[in-house]
Amino acid sequence: GQQVMQIPQYQHVQEGEDFTTYCNSSTTLSNIQWYKQRPGGHPVFLIQLVKSGEVKKQKRLTFQFGEAKKNSSLHITATQTTDVGTYFCAGSEGLQDMRFGAGTRLTVKP
Amino acid sequence: DADVTQTPRNRITKTGKRIMLECSQTKGHDRMYWYRQDPGLGLRLIYYSFDVKDINKGEISDGYSVSRQAQAKFSLSLESAIPNQTALYFCATSDFWTPKEQFFGPGTRLTVL
Repeated sequence: GQQVMQIPQYQHVQEGEDFTTYCNSSTTLSNIQWYKQRPGGHPVFLIQLVKSGEVKKQKRLTFQFGEAKKNSSLHITATQTTDVGTYFCAGSEGLQDMRFGAGTRLTVKP
Repeated sequence: DADVTQTPRNRITKTGKRIMLECSQTKGHDRMYWYRQDPGLGLRLIYYSFDVKDINKGEISDGYSVSRQAQAKFSLSLESAIPNQTALYFCATSDFWTPKEQFFGPGTRLTVL
């Protein structure tokens, strides 16, 4: 069945450094979503990518969907303490399913 | 989101007990979901419902059942709780047009002793 792998599991950065998390699927995806979960909180939707090679930006966050639609990445430029949390990707092969990766937990040292 | 509420927020129970977790939403969404979160495993889908008459099993439905009492209410039951069902449980909703943009409740932390 569909597997969504996310790396790294943990990332600790100094404030101001960049951060990237990667998501890889064992199968071709129709779309991919990214969510953020603050410590003690609930997942919050960030973005959906649908097209092969798509790149979307939200302020300091850049999201990419691979050309083969089997991988994706989230890059944060110049991290801030407000970026702390766990970032999840969730891949879909069809209309109904959505399989979450295990998440990358980001900590930021001021 | 305050639009999706879950009760209780925390629950400690014993092995073999029946437990019900409840979810209510005021977003007017048709679609509702139950997930469990375990450390290092992300979120796994237990059940989902696209409307009151539609219930579907997710990735890990064994040991769980659900009831969609109304468009706004979706409850999850553990008929006979076991320790490996100790987890953080989230309810989520989405609408028909953007089904992958899901809105999560605050979560219920369940401990089965």
